[in-house]
Amino acid sequence: ETGVTQTPRHLVMGMTNKKSLKCEQHLGHNAMYWYKQSAKKPLELMFVYNFKEQTENNSVPSRFSPECPNSSHLFLHLHTLQPEDSALYLCASSQASTAGRYEQYFGPGTRLTVT
Amino acid sequence: ILNVEQSPQSLHVQEGDSTNFTCSFPSSNFYALHWYRWETAKSPEALFVMTLNGDEKKKGRISATLNTKEGYSYLYIKGSQPEDSATYLCAFIAAAGTASKLTFGTGTRLQVTL
Repeated sequence: ETGVTQTPRHLVMGMTNKKSLKCEQHLGHNAMYWYKQSAKKPLELMFVYNFKEQTENNSVPSRFSPECPNSSHLFLHLHTLQPEDSALYLCASSQASTAGRYEQYFGPGTRLTVT
Repeated sequence: ILNVEQSPQSLHVQEGDSTNFTCSFPSSNFYALHWYRWETAKSPEALFVMTLNGDEKKKGRISATLNTKEGYSYLYIKGSQPEDSATYLCAFIAAAGTASKLTFGTGTRLQVTL
C-alpha cells in the first residue's frame, strides 16, 4: 500500500468510550501531523511529530492523546470526548517538519461522530 | 492568532473559463505558503510550496504567484475543466516558533460545469 492510510474511516463513539485512530505512511517521511476539520471551519493543526518526537501541541485538550511509536505510524487516542469533537480527523506526513517547506501528504481521514 | 483569508468562498465557472482566487496572510514574519487542492471524498493534495517573494509556480494549467511584502498569493486556473472542481486551500507558515505549523484558510470552493 502506498501513501498515507488511516483507519477506521468512520467511527461513532459515546462520550464515555475510549477509541484510537491509526495513521500509517509508506513514503519514508520523518514528520507526521494530526489535523481536525470541523464543519465550516479551517483545517486546524493539532499535533506535529518529527522523528518520533512531539514538536507541536496546538493547545489540544488532554482528552486527545497522540502517540508516535516510529516514523511510519501515528495514533490518536480518544477518551471522554464531547459532541463538539465530532469532526473529520486527517493525518499527514512530510519529509521533515522543521523546514515547513515540504509539501504534506494527507490521508483520507476518519469521520468521527461523538454521541 | 494568525489570520489567513481566502476569497471568494465559492466560485462557479463554465468549462473553458479562466479563473483566479486570492489568499491573504500576515505580511510580517513570512516563512512559506502552501496551496492544496481538496476534491470531495478524497485527500488534500499539494499543489505548490512557495517561499520567495515574487515566486511564480506552474503545474499544467494551474499557476500561483506570491507577494510576501503585501501578504497575498494568487492561484490561477487557465481553461477550467470539470475535473478542476474542488476546494482550494492555502496555508501560511510564520517564521516565528516551529516552522511546521500550517495555518489554513477556509478555502475557495470551485465548481466547473460543462
